[in-house]
Amino acid sequence: KAGVTQTPRYLIKTRGQQVTLSCSPISGHRSVSWYQQTPGQGLQFLFEYFSETQRNKGNFPGRFSGRQFSNSRSEMNVSTLELGDSALYLCASSPEGGGGQPQHFGDGTRLSIL
Amino acid sequence: ILNVEQSPQSLHVQEGDSTNFTCSFPSSNFYALHWYRWETAKSPEALFVMTLNGDEKKKGRISATLNTKEGYSYLYIKGSQPEDSATYLCGVRQGGSYIPTFGRGTSLIVHP
Repeated sequence: KAGVTQTPRYLIKTRGQQVTLSCSPISGHRSVSWYQQTPGQGLQFLFEYFSETQRNKGNFPGRFSGRQFSNSRSEMNVSTLELGDSALYLCASSPEGGGGQPQHFGDGTRLSIL
Repeated sequence: ILNVEQSPQSLHVQEGDSTNFTCSFPSSNFYALHWYRWETAKSPEALFVMTLNGDEKKKGRISATLNTKEGYSYLYIKGSQPEDSATYLCGVRQGGSYIPTFGRGTSLIVHP
């Protein structure tokens, strides 16, 4: 069974630009979550999608948005990039996003803002 | 906002040592706790999902316990090996939430 796939692995952007990151969950998984990790911080929750609907949202500004397609693939978009957006962005999937099921993580996208 | 604390922040041990670290969380409205191992340049890998007070889980040399009444979980590694070097993450789910809140992790380095 293929794991969670995130693309691209690395990305360099400049301030003010926008970026779209992609996540393909494990086949059959309907819940996709996005996290941001910066040095010294734990995984900060961005949002979770389930059946094409945003079900949970973390405390990030509106510049961070996402969506989920009918095949459960998800994209995350960040507009008007700031230096502080430099981070590792992780995507995780699970069958239903509830119960005692663990999340399965991708390798992440390393975003650097110049 | 759920506060999940992990201690220590980092740990250096010698090969063969046994070690343990802690995840603390509010005991009210607890639903589940997840432990993950995150090796450098890899994705976090699920170790255990724990839901019941008194739960004990084991995977090889790694084991974990859960006390939901007092709000903590311990992760133990017996006879640490260099390949155990990783960050160990704890995520806690409360009832009514689909998503775990993660602590900052404990970074373990095992020296040969």
